Amino acid sequence: EDQVTQSPEALRLQEGESSSLNCSYTVSGLRGLFWYRQDPGKGPEFLFTLYSAGEEKEKERLKATLTKKESFLHITAPKPEDSATYLCAVQAYRAAAGNKLTFGGGTRVLVKP
Amino acid sequence: EAQVTQNPRYLITVTGKKLTVTCSQNMNHEYMSWYRQDPGLGLRQIYYSMNVEVTDKGDVPEGYKVSRKEKRNFPLILESPSPNQTSLYFCASRGQGHLNTEAFFGQGTRLTVV
Repeated sequence: EDQVTQSPEALRLQEGESSSLNCSYTVSGLRGLFWYRQDPGKGPEFLFTLYSAGEEKEKERLKATLTKKESFLHITAPKPEDSATYLCAVQAYRAAAGNKLTFGGGTRVLVKP
Repeated sequence: EAQVTQNPRYLITVTGKKLTVTCSQNMNHEYMSWYRQDPGLGLRQIYYSMNVEVTDKGDVPEGYKVSRKEKRNFPLILESPSPNQTSLYFCASRGQGHLNTEAFFGQGTRLTVV
């Protein structure tokens, strides 16, 4: 069974204070690892897809990296508008339910001015 | 604009009263799914559909039904809602052309069963 664990559950940052979120996963054959941002009362919004160990992707103040067991989402010099819950999900190579995403519990990030 | 639309956004109902949450996407996506989101449990898949007339159970299907008569629509049906189905529900769609495409999510439906 695929498993995704995110840590920490919550993170309080001062504006400009860089930090990293962790996503540890167990999956039999990783097809892709996804990062989403979710604002209160809204649906998850896609950020990145990572496919293989060593891959990195960046978008504004966010940078996602991937190893064989975990992924990190680095937030550099965050601003209050980066406050959100960040979700990690994995998709496995599997014939049945091939497009299923398994999500972690998320990390709630609060950036104070 | 590419989007997934759910209705209603908020719903309060009583135990046992059948209800339907609608979901529609305008991206011609083959794959659609329903998730529920609960504190401490994250997003869990309820049902999914690989294409028209093809549906299957996800991780938490008990108490739910779905149908996929048209490519764009994927309604979620609760025949006899119970209080443990109080949750935040999301519909999502993905294309099949590239198997690792990201999922697009609707705005969510907050359901309360009393």
